[in-house]
Amino acid sequence: EVQLVESGGGLVQPGRSLKLSCVASGFTFNNYWMTWIRQAPGKGLEWVASITNTGGSTYYPDSVKGRFTISRDNAKSTLYLQMNSLRSEDTATYYCTTGVYYFDYWGQGVMVTVSS
Amino acid sequence: DIQMTQSPSLLSASVGDRVTLSCKASQNIYKYLNWYQQKLGEAPKLLIYYTNSLQTGIPSRFSGSGSGTDYTLTISSLQPEDVATYFCQQYNSWPLTFGSGTKLEIK
Repeated sequence: EVQLVESGGGLVQPGRSLKLSCVASGFTFNNYWMTWIRQAPGKGLEWVASITNTGGSTYYPDSVKGRFTISRDNAKSTLYLQMNSLRSEDTATYYCTTGVYYFDYWGQGVMVTVSS
Repeated sequence: DIQMTQSPSLLSASVGDRVTLSCKASQNIYKYLNWYQQKLGEAPKLLIYYTNSLQTGIPSRFSGSGSGTDYTLTISSLQPEDVATYFCQQYNSWPLTFGSGTKLEIK
């Protein structure tokens, strides 16, 4: 059974940093591209970052480029999202997902609240 | 960026109805279109990928169609468990973008 378990969320002040983790199991992690998607409270879905299966390439929308960094440790089957210079508009539930073109497995999500 | 517009934003229908949800892209996305279902308090679930391919385990009452800029998700016979918000997503080009969702209720 595929499982994606996110952690690392919480309340953080604007301008500070936070690092999310996602531990994967039930599939061959190093065969899959991985993606972070977020959802602000009561809002729609927003693509945040994607990474190739080797970690050699990463992709971001302009809204987070230069502030967020996606990475992975294939030996630990773990995906990361380093979030710097956080803003109030980054407040959302962050989901770890498999894939890059379509997202077939999702974690339960982790909440990040950016507020003073 | 490709804008994805879903309509209606809210849809109320009766059990057993045939329901059609619409998703329109701001430019041709060559069928690179997926549909997700999100129930209250849960993570989204992939229903349909590449316009009309049914994800494993998804009931056959769900189907997708479309081309160019216009796409449709159809539920052939609405069931109570289909109450959810439905999102479309394009992957023709970066950045990947989602529609704002259609909330489906039972009348």
